[in-house]
Amino acid sequence: KQEVTQIPAALSVPEGENLVLNCSFTDSAIYNLQWFRQDPGKGLTSLLLIQSSQREQTSGRLNASLDKSSGRSTLYIAASQPGDSATYLCAVLEYGNKLVFGAGTILRVKS
Amino acid sequence: NAGVTQTPKFQVLKTGQSMTLQCAQDMNHEYMSWYRQDPGMGLRLIHYSVGAGITDQGEVPNGYNVSRSTTEDFPLRLLSAAPSQTSVYFCASSYSPAGELAGELFFGEGSRLTVL
Repeated sequence: KQEVTQIPAALSVPEGENLVLNCSFTDSAIYNLQWFRQDPGKGLTSLLLIQSSQREQTSGRLNASLDKSSGRSTLYIAASQPGDSATYLCAVLEYGNKLVFGAGTILRVKS
Repeated sequence: NAGVTQTPKFQVLKTGQSMTLQCAQDMNHEYMSWYRQDPGMGLRLIHYSVGAGITDQGEVPNGYNVSRSTTEDFPLRLLSAAPSQTSVYFCASSYSPAGELAGELFFGEGSRLTVL
């Protein structure tokens, strides 16, 4: 059974810091990996999608990498801002076409 | 552009009652799915559909039914509500059926259900 783990569970950083969120998965038989952002009381917003054949994706201050063979992905946020405060979730799409989520990392960026 | 619309946003039920959570998308997406989100457990897949007339079970399907008669709509039915079904429910859709062509997932705002 696929298991997705996110470390750390919570993170608090001062504004301007670069930070890394980690995601690991146990089964490398995946089609893609997605990173999402969730604000309190809201739905999820897709940030980046990495196909299994890709190594990384970038969008603005965000960069996500994927190492499928080792079952790891990282989300790098450059020059963090208070508006980045949210819960960040990663999810993998298995070969059975089911998306499996991690429990998320709660990020707080202090001004 | 409405995206994924869920109704109702909030609902309180008594044990044993039934209800339907509605989900509609206007993006002509083939893939639609329902998740529940509980504290400390992340999102868990309840049911999903890769196209009209096709549905399949996810990780936690017991106590829930779905149907997909049109591309746009994917309602989730609770047959006999139980306190364990107290949760936040999210509907999500994607433009491609899944697999290697699967695209990013678009989520609704969620439906918060309390079962007393």
